[in-house]
Amino acid sequence: KAGVTQTPRYLIKTRGQQVTLSCSPISGHRSVSWYQQTPGQGLQFLFEYFSETQRNKGNFPGRFSGRQFSNSRSEMNVSTLELGDSALYLCASSLSVVQETQYFGPGTRLLVL
Amino acid sequence: SQQGEEDPQALSIQEGENATMNCSYKTSINNLQWYRQNSGRGLVHLILIRSNEREKHSGRLRVTLDTSKKSSSLLITASRAADTASYFCATDSKTGANNLFFGTGTRLTVIP
Repeated sequence: KAGVTQTPRYLIKTRGQQVTLSCSPISGHRSVSWYQQTPGQGLQFLFEYFSETQRNKGNFPGRFSGRQFSNSRSEMNVSTLELGDSALYLCASSLSVVQETQYFGPGTRLLVL
Repeated sequence: SQQGEEDPQALSIQEGENATMNCSYKTSINNLQWYRQNSGRGLVHLILIRSNEREKHSGRLRVTLDTSKKSSSLLITASRAADTASYFCATDSKTGANNLFFGTGTRLTVIP
Protein backbone atom coordinates (compact mmCIF):
# COMPACT_ATOMS: atom_id res chain seq x y z
CA LYS A 1 0.00 0.00 0.00
CA ALA A 2 1.42 3.38 -0.96
CA GLY A 3 2.33 5.75 1.85
CA VAL A 4 1.37 9.35 2.38
CA THR A 5 2.55 11.54 -0.46
CA GLN A 6 3.13 15.26 -0.40
CA THR A 7 3.72 17.67 -3.25
CA PRO A 8 5.75 19.61 -3.93
CA ARG A 9 8.71 18.42 -1.90
CA TYR A 10 10.53 21.75 -2.03
CA LEU A 11 9.27 25.25 -2.59
CA ILE A 12 10.81 28.72 -2.62
CA LYS A 13 8.54 31.75 -2.33
CA THR A 14 8.95 35.40 -1.53
CA ARG A 15 7.28 37.39 1.22
CA GLY A 16 3.70 38.34 0.46
CA GLN A 17 3.07 35.46 -1.91
CA GLN A 18 0.74 32.59 -1.22
CA VAL A 19 1.37 28.87 -1.41
CA THR A 20 -0.68 25.69 -1.66
CA LEU A 21 0.62 22.35 -0.47
CA SER A 22 -0.97 19.02 -1.28
CA CYS A 23 -1.26 15.77 0.62
CA SER A 24 -2.58 12.40 -0.50
CA PRO A 25 -3.28 10.07 2.42
CA ILE A 26 -2.87 6.33 2.54
CA SER A 27 -5.70 4.65 0.68
CA GLY A 28 -8.64 4.15 3.01
CA HIS A 29 -7.48 6.74 5.52
CA ARG A 30 -10.03 9.45 6.11
CA SER A 31 -8.30 11.68 8.65
CA VAL A 32 -5.59 14.06 7.52
CA SER A 33 -3.59 16.28 9.85
CA TRP A 34 -1.03 18.96 9.10
CA TYR A 35 1.97 19.93 11.20
CA GLN A 36 4.60 22.63 10.92
CA GLN A 37 8.15 21.90 11.98
CA THR A 38 10.68 24.64 12.62
CA PRO A 39 13.98 24.59 14.55
CA GLY A 40 12.67 27.10 17.06
CA GLN A 41 9.13 25.84 17.71
CA GLY A 42 9.51 22.17 16.89
CA LEU A 43 6.52 20.22 15.64
CA GLN A 44 3.25 22.10 15.95
CA PHE A 45 -0.24 21.01 14.98
CA LEU A 46 -1.96 23.09 12.31
CA PHE A 47 -5.31 21.42 11.65
CA GLU A 48 -7.06 18.12 11.13
CA TYR A 49 -9.69 17.13 8.59
CA PHE A 50 -12.07 14.21 8.57
CA SER A 51 -14.72 13.62 5.92
CA GLU A 52 -14.10 17.05 4.39
CA THR A 53 -14.68 18.82 7.71
CA GLN A 54 -12.11 20.60 9.81
CA ARG A 55 -12.36 18.97 13.21
CA ASN A 56 -9.59 20.71 15.05
CA LYS A 57 -7.29 23.67 14.55
CA GLY A 58 -4.02 24.61 16.18
CA ASN A 59 -2.93 28.03 17.30
CA PHE A 60 -2.01 29.55 13.95
CA PRO A 61 -3.19 32.78 12.30
CA GLY A 62 -5.98 32.82 9.76
CA ARG A 63 -3.42 33.03 6.96
CA PHE A 64 -3.15 29.27 7.35
CA SER A 65 -6.10 27.40 5.92
CA GLY A 66 -6.86 24.01 4.54
CA ARG A 67 -9.43 21.79 3.03
CA GLN A 68 -10.15 18.17 2.32
CA PHE A 69 -11.73 16.69 -0.74
CA SER A 70 -14.17 13.82 -1.06
CA ASN A 71 -11.30 11.43 -1.90
CA SER A 72 -9.62 12.44 1.40
CA ARG A 73 -6.83 14.33 -0.34
CA SER A 74 -6.04 17.54 1.47
CA GLU A 75 -4.51 20.88 0.67
CA MET A 76 -3.23 23.59 2.92
CA ASN A 77 -2.81 27.20 1.89
CA VAL A 78 -0.72 29.93 3.41
CA SER A 79 -1.47 33.45 2.24
CA THR A 80 0.68 36.55 2.58
CA LEU A 81 3.79 34.57 3.37
CA GLU A 82 6.17 35.77 6.06
CA LEU A 83 9.81 34.84 6.59
CA GLY A 84 8.79 32.93 9.70
CA ASP A 85 6.64 30.60 7.63
CA SER A 86 9.78 28.90 6.37
CA ALA A 87 9.44 25.38 7.68
CA LEU A 88 8.93 21.73 6.94
CA TYR A 89 5.21 21.07 6.54
CA LEU A 90 4.21 17.53 7.36
CA CYS A 91 0.99 15.79 6.54
CA ALA A 92 -0.21 12.73 8.42
CA SER A 93 -3.08 10.37 7.78
CA SER A 94 -4.93 7.86 9.88
CA LEU A 95 -7.85 5.50 9.39
CA SER A 96 -10.42 7.41 11.34
CA VAL A 97 -10.80 10.08 13.90
CA VAL A 98 -10.23 7.61 16.72
CA GLN A 99 -7.24 5.94 15.15
CA GLU A 100 -4.25 6.94 17.19
CA THR A 101 -1.35 6.05 14.95
CA GLN A 102 -0.68 8.68 12.35
CA TYR A 103 1.41 7.96 9.29
CA PHE A 104 3.49 10.84 8.02
CA GLY A 105 4.47 11.91 4.55
CA PRO A 106 7.99 13.08 3.61
CA GLY A 107 7.04 16.72 4.04
CA THR A 108 7.22 19.87 1.96
CA ARG A 109 10.17 22.13 2.68
CA LEU A 110 9.08 25.75 2.24
CA LEU A 111 11.60 28.57 2.11
CA VAL A 112 10.31 32.14 2.20
CA LEU A 113 12.75 34.79 1.01
CA SER B 1 3.18 25.03 23.29
CA GLN B 2 4.40 21.49 23.13
CA GLN B 3 3.09 18.82 25.40
CA GLY B 4 6.32 16.97 25.92
CA GLU B 5 9.89 17.60 26.77
CA GLU B 6 12.64 15.16 25.99
CA ASP B 7 15.89 14.45 27.66
CA PRO B 8 18.64 14.49 26.67
CA GLN B 9 18.48 16.91 23.74
CA ALA B 10 21.39 15.11 22.14
CA LEU B 11 23.00 11.74 22.71
CA SER B 12 26.12 10.26 21.13
CA ILE B 13 27.02 6.60 21.60
CA GLN B 14 29.13 3.88 20.04
CA GLU B 15 27.60 1.26 17.82
CA GLY B 16 26.46 -1.70 19.88
CA GLU B 17 25.68 0.34 22.97
CA ASN B 18 22.20 0.96 24.29
CA ALA B 19 20.50 4.35 23.97
CA THR B 20 17.91 5.64 26.41
CA MET B 21 15.75 8.67 25.81
CA ASN B 22 13.23 10.13 28.21
CA CYS B 23 10.04 12.06 27.65
CA SER B 24 7.91 14.01 30.09
CA TYR B 25 4.46 15.37 29.37
CA LYS B 26 2.04 17.67 31.09
CA THR B 27 -1.54 16.43 30.96
CA SER B 28 -3.45 13.16 31.08
CA ILE B 29 -3.19 11.09 27.95
CA ASN B 30 -4.81 8.14 26.22
CA ASN B 31 -1.66 7.03 24.41
CA LEU B 32 1.95 7.94 23.94
CA GLN B 33 3.85 7.31 20.74
CA TRP B 34 7.46 7.44 19.67
CA TYR B 35 8.53 8.56 16.21
CA ARG B 36 11.87 8.71 14.41
CA GLN B 37 12.93 11.39 11.95
CA ASN B 38 15.95 11.23 9.70
CA SER B 39 17.54 14.55 8.72
CA GLY B 40 14.43 16.72 8.42
CA ARG B 41 12.41 14.15 6.54
CA GLY B 42 9.06 12.61 7.43
CA LEU B 43 8.38 10.94 10.75
CA VAL B 44 8.36 7.18 11.04
CA HIS B 45 6.09 5.64 13.64
CA LEU B 46 7.97 3.36 16.02
CA ILE B 47 5.67 2.29 18.79
CA LEU B 48 2.47 3.22 20.61
CA ILE B 49 1.88 2.56 24.29
CA ARG B 50 -1.52 2.99 25.88
CA SER B 51 -2.07 4.69 29.21
CA ASN B 52 -2.97 1.37 30.86
CA GLU B 53 0.27 -0.27 29.72
CA ARG B 54 3.55 0.00 31.57
CA GLU B 55 5.97 -1.52 29.10
CA LYS B 56 6.03 -2.50 25.46
CA HIS B 57 8.60 -4.10 23.19
CA SER B 58 9.12 -4.02 19.46
CA GLY B 59 12.29 -5.61 18.12
CA ARG B 60 15.22 -3.69 19.63
CA LEU B 61 12.89 -1.07 21.09
CA ARG B 62 11.57 -1.04 24.63
CA VAL B 63 9.20 1.65 25.81
CA THR B 64 8.04 2.26 29.35
CA LEU B 65 5.29 4.53 30.56
CA ASP B 66 4.73 5.89 34.06
CA THR B 67 1.49 7.83 34.07
CA SER B 68 1.90 8.82 37.73
CA LYS B 69 5.09 10.65 36.82
CA LYS B 70 3.86 11.61 33.36
CA SER B 71 6.96 10.22 31.78
CA SER B 72 8.09 7.66 29.25
CA SER B 73 11.38 6.23 28.13
CA LEU B 74 12.57 4.71 24.89
CA LEU B 75 15.41 2.21 24.99
CA ILE B 76 17.16 1.15 21.81
CA THR B 77 19.35 -1.88 22.39
CA ALA B 78 22.43 -2.86 20.41
CA SER B 79 22.38 0.40 18.48
CA ARG B 80 23.43 0.63 14.83
CA ALA B 81 24.71 3.51 12.75
CA ALA B 82 21.36 3.44 10.93
CA ASP B 83 19.63 4.38 14.20
CA THR B 84 21.16 7.85 13.91
CA ALA B 85 18.13 10.15 13.82
CA SER B 86 15.96 12.42 15.93
CA TYR B 87 13.44 10.71 18.18
CA PHE B 88 10.20 12.33 19.30
CA CYS B 89 7.56 11.36 21.77
CA ALA B 90 4.01 12.39 20.98
CA THR B 91 0.91 12.38 23.12
CA ASP B 92 -2.69 12.61 22.12
CA SER B 93 -5.42 14.91 23.28
CA LYS B 94 -8.00 13.87 25.85
CA THR B 95 -10.52 15.98 23.96
CA GLY B 96 -10.79 13.25 21.37
CA ALA B 97 -9.36 15.34 18.58
CA ASN B 98 -6.99 13.47 16.38
CA ASN B 99 -3.93 15.64 16.82
CA LEU B 100 -0.64 14.89 18.50
CA PHE B 101 1.52 16.99 20.76
CA PHE B 102 5.19 16.43 20.12
CA GLY B 103 8.14 16.67 22.42
CA THR B 104 11.27 18.61 21.61
CA GLY B 105 13.12 15.53 20.40
CA THR B 106 16.39 13.79 21.15
CA ARG B 107 19.10 13.82 18.51
CA LEU B 108 20.81 10.42 18.60
CA THR B 109 24.15 9.87 16.91
CA VAL B 110 25.49 6.33 16.72
CA ILE B 111 29.18 6.25 15.91
CA PRO B 112 30.31 3.24 13.85
